[in-house]
Amino acid sequence: AQSVTQPDIHITVSEGASLELRCNYSYGATPYLFWYVQSPGQGLQLLLKYFSGDTLVQGIKGFEAEFKRSQSSFNLRKPSVHWSDAAEYFCAVGANTGTASKLTFGTGTRLQVTL
Amino acid sequence: EAGVTQFPSHSVIEKGQTVTLRCDPISGHDNLYWYRRVMGKEIKFLLHFVKESKQDESGMPNNRFLAERTGGTYSTLKVQPAELEDSGVYFCASSQHYFKAFFGQGTRLTVV
Repeated sequence: AQSVTQPDIHITVSEGASLELRCNYSYGATPYLFWYVQSPGQGLQLLLKYFSGDTLVQGIKGFEAEFKRSQSSFNLRKPSVHWSDAAEYFCAVGANTGTASKLTFGTGTRLQVTL
Repeated sequence: EAGVTQFPSHSVIEKGQTVTLRCDPISGHDNLYWYRRVMGKEIKFLLHFVKESKQDESGMPNNRFLAERTGGTYSTLKVQPAELEDSGVYFCASSQHYFKAFFGQGTRLTVV
């Protein structure tokens, strides 16, 4: 069975600083990987996804993530954080069984941005 | 285009009562999913509808939970009777294609 680990429960960064959120996954085949963000009062919004091909994927809001098979990681990065990035971030792996496409999520990382 | 709509946004009920959560997916989306996040834990899959049929309900915790999807449109998730451990945020998502799911804002359920 697949699993996702987000080792950092809470991270605080200063506005303008760089950001890296860690994600490690366990999955028997080539994974489908995702990062979602949940801002206060909002639903989960897809930031980016990796299915195949280039291991560096670009997403919305200036985020990117790099798939590293050897490390079973899919870390999320942003070069310069804005105060509006304060939210909770979820990494997920998708299991495509052919008839279903359910996601397995990590426990989330809450990002606080200081001014 | 309207997104996925869930209501209520919050619900507080007493242990033993019944609660029904509703999800209106994006029009035309055949796939509808329910997920749940218990406080401090990961978001967990509950079940998946394709149109009105349950495709996968492997994540449903027990038989106190009943999900329906009327005519392949909106879906309801009923908890009867509710227990304290059912508290959490219930998310609904819909998609037309694999892994292009759009999530609602969630329903926060508190059982006291």
